[in-house]
Amino acid sequence: GENVEQHPSTLSVQEGDSAVIKCTYSDSASNYFPWYKQELGKRPQLIIDIRSNVGEKKDQRIAVTLNKTAKHFSLHITETQPEDSAVYFCAASIYSGAGSYQLTFGKGTKLSVIP
Amino acid sequence: ETGVTQTPRHLVMGMTNKKSLKCEQHLGHNAMYWYKQSAKKPLELMFVYSLEERVENNSVPSRFSPECPNSSHLFLHLHTLQPEDSALYLCASSQDGAGGTDEQFFGPGTRLTVL
Repeated sequence: GENVEQHPSTLSVQEGDSAVIKCTYSDSASNYFPWYKQELGKRPQLIIDIRSNVGEKKDQRIAVTLNKTAKHFSLHITETQPEDSAVYFCAASIYSGAGSYQLTFGKGTKLSVIP
Repeated sequence: ETGVTQTPRHLVMGMTNKKSLKCEQHLGHNAMYWYKQSAKKPLELMFVYSLEERVENNSVPSRFSPECPNSSHLFLHLHTLQPEDSALYLCASSQDGAGGTDEQFFGPGTRLTVL
């Protein structure tokens, strides 16, 4: 099955600096890579996603890059703000048979933005 | 109510009790999911229902029994649980009936404690 490794597990940055979170996956057939943000006591919410036919995607201060050859993808947050403090999860989707797909999640990165 | 709702939000039960978790989605989606979220572990997919049919069961113990009576409602029936089953149980839904290929919308979760 799919295995997703996420690093670092914790990350502290000064407000205004950039933050980078990296994930690797094991199955080269994975084709969809979402990133979810979970604030303390709240539900996970999608912040950005990328599909295997695209190498990079950007949405304002957030960007995701995908390297299919190396089987890794990264989340980049620029000009960090205190409200970016949360746990971020990466995930990879793999076809699991019978016409269905399944997301496998990384363990999460706790990002703290210091004012 | 909008989005994905879950009840109860908190549940404490003994190992011999029987209880049920309820999830309802108001988004007209075709797929619904149960996830388990434990501290320092990745989100674990438990069950996937696509168009009311179960398509994934990730080797979940039989003490967890899902039910999907229609495309808007999902239940997780619990019986003779173990203390290690204590966790946050998240429900999610997505438009795509194929499963993990597009955004999943999560509910607020049920915090379960097994004594």
